Formats: sequence, C-alpha cells, structure tokens
Amino acid sequence: SQQGEEDPQALSIQEGENATMNCSYKTSINNLQWYRQNSGRGLVHLILIRSNEREKHSGRLRVTLDTSKKSSSLLITASRAADTASYFCATEAGGTSYGKLTFGQGTILTVHP
Amino acid sequence: NAGVMQNPRHLVRRRGQEARLRCSPMKGHSHVYWYRQLPEEGLKFMVYLQKENIIDESGMPKERFSAEFPKEGPSILRIQQVVRGDSAAYFCASSPRTGDYGYTFGSGTRLTVV
Repeated sequence: SQQGEEDPQALSIQEGENATMNCSYKTSINNLQWYRQNSGRGLVHLILIRSNEREKHSGRLRVTLDTSKKSSSLLITASRAADTASYFCATEAGGTSYGKLTFGQGTILTVHP
Repeated sequence: NAGVMQNPRHLVRRRGQEARLRCSPMKGHSHVYWYRQLPEEGLKFMVYLQKENIIDESGMPKERFSAEFPKEGPSILRIQQVVRGDSAAYFCASSPRTGDYGYTFGSGTRLTVV
C-alpha cells in the first residue's frame, strides 16, 4: 500500500489565495519530496526536505516536516492559474532504498483565474 | 540538455503482444528508475538500474516484465504478452547519483492494451 497519504484529495481556490496540502507517511524516512504533475505530463520535482530539517522555502513554496507526527505540508502562496496541477508527496527511506520513492495518492489543485 | 526522453509517448498493443518502452536519461545521469501509474492510483516504483546492472527490482511483477540498461543506448522496459491490466502510464526518472537528490522524470509512455 502507498505510504504517503495526502489530503485533501482535491482543492479548488481562487487566484491569489494560498493553497495548503498535507501528506502523512508511516515508516521512517531519509527525505520527503514534493512533485507536481500537469495533466498528461511527467512529474516535476519541486522541493526536497531532509529528515533533520523542519522547514524549507523555495520561491512561493514552503514545506514543513514533522517527523514525530510523520507528516508534511506544502504551502503555495499567492497561487496562480498556472499552479493548477496534481501535487504528490514522495518519501525516500535512504540507504539501500535510495531511488525507491513511495508516492502518495496526490492532491488535485485547481486555481481559478 | 533535453531532459529525460521517453518514447513512444503513446503505445497501443493487443493482448498477447510485447511492449517495449525506452528511456534515455539526462546527460551525465547513470541511474535510471521506472515507475508505473495505474488509472486513479499514484505512482509505484518498479525497478532501479545503473549501467548494465539491476540494483533493485522489488517493484517489478515477477512474470512478463523485464528491464535493462545496457552500456550503450537507452534503458528498456519490456512487457511480454501484455494484458489489459498492464494499461497504465510508465514513467522513467534519472539521477546522477543516489542521495538526497530530487529526480528528473520523463513525460511518460501511455500504454493501452486492447
């Protein structure tokens, strides 16, 4: 079964609003990554946060990680219509499991102009 | 740098035929990974390869599926005697090394078995 569980499954907001997506996982990890997938396309890597980090920023993206709760959140500030996509969290256990990402089911984000 | 190239983008096969999916990693990347995305499901790891070596194939179905990454040329994911349940999007990713490093994905091959 998928380790990562995301909520909400779908999120609909207006342009300019913030979007928050959450991800929970079950086993210990080395890092957690967020990816974006536009309809019918491949995945684009957004940001990686290591297990010893609590928060990371990249442009309009802010990721938090709480290893005690085994959860992460992705915040997209000042959203744009172009942010409309599916967003996936993926965990990587490290060691011999590097390269073996475990993906969540994803959150479908729709940003209305 | 053209990124990770996958071809074909779309592939239609009749039940019982063979499907061959190709993946050329980014220049300088020697690690290749294959994932499968079934309808209404997230992506699932299939196999991790380096040049001429299979590192981890724990996600590969035991029968009909095989993968290779030869010294020269692209990585190939081969599905023999396809069945309707093999219909999915197959994604390839690559990286220059292992570690805390994001992966670059291709646009995928959408396999439809009729």
